[in-house]
Amino acid sequence: QSALTQPASVSGSPGQSITISCTGTSSDVGAYNYVSWYQQHPGKAPKLMIYEVSNRPSGVSNRFSGSKSGNTASLTISGLQAEDEADYYCSSYTSSSTLYVFGTGTKVTVL
Amino acid sequence: QVQLQESGPGLVKPSETLSLTCTVSNGSISSYYWSWIRQPAGKGLEWIGRIYTSGSTNYNPSLKSRVTMSVDTSKNQFSLKLSSVTAADTAVYYCARDALYDSSGYYSRGFDPWGQGTLVTVSS
Repeated sequence: QSALTQPASVSGSPGQSITISCTGTSSDVGAYNYVSWYQQHPGKAPKLMIYEVSNRPSGVSNRFSGSKSGNTASLTISGLQAEDEADYYCSSYTSSSTLYVFGTGTKVTVL
Repeated sequence: QVQLQESGPGLVKPSETLSLTCTVSNGSISSYYWSWIRQPAGKGLEWIGRIYTSGSTNYNPSLKSRVTMSVDTSKNQFSLKLSSVTAADTAVYYCARDALYDSSGYYSRGFDPWGQGTLVTVSS
């Protein structure tokens, strides 16, 4: 089972919106709505930002939103803030025996 | 709110067995799946496997031959053993809460929460 494909880096200025893509296959992202997104600051544990494609856990800013089209899921961060600078990972349930697969990770830089 | 804490040796010799325990506090371990995830320095996340409170397990096929997970509901703990370790197993190991599965159904709402992570180095 290969990792889901994410861009290595995405950048934006404060206040702008950015979108991170997460491309999988018809066996994972395309097959299930069990796509989640995680934010990870250096030296910290990942934090759940989005689950089931587009749902935000309690306490997560509404500047974070998720969507999916076909085999590609997306995370959009609107009104970019300095604190959003971090690594972001997507994850999907998969029909393979691996059960869960993570994305390759995207470093978000706030210019 | 539920908190997770990993514990175990930070240094393991090559060919030996890595053993970690995750303690769940401020909540019950029952009715949930619990996962182990690792991250080599500077690299991405890898799902290792999960265990349900009944003891049922799912393992990543790439590690299946070396992984054993167990659960102790009386102590609100679950554990990971990874045998025959090599330098490639050096990573930060995280435990995390996985899906809810009870009489009302199966709910997979992402890995949440996570433990703070523990660095395990494989070296002689």
